[in-house]
Amino acid sequence: ETGVTQTPRHLVMGMTNKKSLKCEQHLGHNAMYWYKQSAKKPLELMFVYSLEERVENNSVPSRFSPECPNSSHLFLHLHTLQPEDSALYLCASGTTNTGELFFGEGSRLTVL
Amino acid sequence: QQQVKQSPQSLIVQKGGISIINCAYENTAFDYFPWYQQFPGKGPALLIAIRPDVSEKKEGRFTISFNKSAKQFSLHIMDSQPGDSATYFCAASKQGGSEKLVFGKGTKLTVNP
Repeated sequence: ETGVTQTPRHLVMGMTNKKSLKCEQHLGHNAMYWYKQSAKKPLELMFVYSLEERVENNSVPSRFSPECPNSSHLFLHLHTLQPEDSALYLCASGTTNTGELFFGEGSRLTVL
Repeated sequence: QQQVKQSPQSLIVQKGGISIINCAYENTAFDYFPWYQQFPGKGPALLIAIRPDVSEKKEGRFTISFNKSAKQFSLHIMDSQPGDSATYFCAASKQGGSEKLVFGKGTKLTVNP
């Protein structure tokens, strides 16, 4: 148990659906992240929120929309995804001055 | 452009043996080098980390060796156990911060009984 909780753990959606991934941390961290993990690829940083402000957006398609309403919660809104978006989406939290990330167990997304 | 190159992609070791995973980086501004361990169905977890002011750091059976001039660092797992079977990721960042961690592609380690 890392203190970072992700829901749902598994999600299957069609290309026209709209769904959201949720992440919650109660570790007192001031930064939260979304990573994408695909087979045989490095962990890809998607979004970073520091002190609830987005500080990083690594050229992620607009069909992925993050939301950070407070320092403990992070969402990833999904709409009109493509099959190549199927992957494990990992949420992480950390403090910006220590370098350590605490990951959740991930949400396995399948786009049909 | 891959900033952190990790090898091998997969590794099979007998119980009690030494597992060695290597990483090379390009950006000389990197100053924090962690290793993460990921078990199936779980997210990665920090295993051990090093900063460039030391050449080696040991925690139990896990050792990081760091060669600043060669821009390389490696993870050594001594007396490898089946429970060490996991995927290992090296990473690097600047200014010790977590915002810009760059990960290697990962090494799947299998330790046979």
